[in-house]
Amino acid sequence: SQTIHQWPATLVQPVGSPLSLECTVEGTSNPNLYWYRQAAGRGLQLLFYSVGIGQISSEVPQNLSASRPQDRQFILSSKKLLLSDSGFYLCAWSPGVRGDQPQHFGDGTRLSIL
Amino acid sequence: QKEVEQNSGPLSVPEGAIASLNCTYSDRGSQSFFWYRQYSGKSPELIMSIYSNGDKEDGRFTAQLNKASQYVSLLIRDSQPSDSATYLCAVNARNYGQNFVFGPGTRLSVLP
Repeated sequence: SQTIHQWPATLVQPVGSPLSLECTVEGTSNPNLYWYRQAAGRGLQLLFYSVGIGQISSEVPQNLSASRPQDRQFILSSKKLLLSDSGFYLCAWSPGVRGDQPQHFGDGTRLSIL
Repeated sequence: QKEVEQNSGPLSVPEGAIASLNCTYSDRGSQSFFWYRQYSGKSPELIMSIYSNGDKEDGRFTAQLNKASQYVSLLIRDSQPSDSATYLCAVNARNYGQNFVFGPGTRLSVLP
């Protein structure tokens, strides 16, 4: 069966520091991968999605970037964090071949910026 | 612009009652519809998928889809306090992963 791993679970970072969040998927090949952010009490905001290695689409222009160095690895990065980057970051995957399948989420990373 | 709308709630129902959660979407070409449950502080988990008009039942959950009215709903029978969560409606317009749109969610509270 497929599983998705996301780490770390919680992170406290000072303003201006860099960020690297990692997500890996097991048990499937060529998945679609997604990064979402959820502010407290708010809905899901799609940040990036990827349909293959090195293929990244950005939904929201900001100081975050994403990379997909391997088929089942998705990384969210920032060079300098802002206070507004606080939130719950979720990685998700869906089967790449069939477009009608649901997304499945990792456990998320709760990021607090001080 | 693709939109998915839900009442934010909170929707409060007594234990044992039927909870009815509603969702409307704007893209008439939408093909796939999903309901997720999100407990406070946790990630969303998939509870139902529906692709055709009509009802689909899974245990205490029933999803209903009406493409002509661009409306999808989730019924929870015999509601339990453990069903208290935020329920997210998601729509995949035209079956491309990047067209997956989530609604803002409805917060459900089941009162013992």
